[in-house]
Amino acid sequence: GQQVMQIPQYQHVQEGEDFTTYCNSSTTLSNIQWYKQRPGGHPVFLIQLVKSGEVKKQKRLTFQFGEAKKNSSLHITATQTTDVGTYFCAETGTASKLTFGTGTRLQVTL
Amino acid sequence: NAGVTQTPKFQVLKTGQSMTLQCAQDMNHNSMYWYRQDPGMGLRLIYYSASEGTTDKGEVPNGYNVSRLNKREFSLRLESAAPSQTSVYFCASSETGSGNTIYFGEGSWLTVV
Repeated sequence: GQQVMQIPQYQHVQEGEDFTTYCNSSTTLSNIQWYKQRPGGHPVFLIQLVKSGEVKKQKRLTFQFGEAKKNSSLHITATQTTDVGTYFCAETGTASKLTFGTGTRLQVTL
Repeated sequence: NAGVTQTPKFQVLKTGQSMTLQCAQDMNHNSMYWYRQDPGMGLRLIYYSASEGTTDKGEVPNGYNVSRLNKREFSLRLESAAPSQTSVYFCASSETGSGNTIYFGEGSWLTVV
């Protein structure tokens, strides 16, 4: 089945530092979605990327879809403690099924 | 403003016991899903229902059954619980079709001893 690998598995940053997580697939992705899950919470949709090379921004978050549609990244500028959580990429297959990456857990300390 | 509601939130089962996790959504979505989440494994799809009256296996269906009772409700049953089924279970729903946002319930923490 579709394999969506995500790196790193875990990252610990000081508040104010930048953070990036990468999502890689061995096959071409139809689209990519990003979700955030706070500790003890449930995944919450952040954004969807559809077009090759697409870049979208949400305040301090920048999402990118690779030109070949085989990878994607989420970059957070100047992290804050509210950014703590696990970030998942996910690809929508047929019948709306989402295949999730393994997630990157972000820890931010003062 | 409920969205996706699942019950119970916490449950402890003994090996071999059965139980049903209930899920309901009030967004008139056609598609519903059950995922399990284990540390370091991300979210894995157990079963999904693309529309009322249909159900299909996901990535890890063994040991589970589902029922799409009506458009609103999608239940997950463990017939004979095993310790390997200790996990956090998430119900979710979405509009039908590729690329739609999936909305998750708050999760059910299940421990099998």
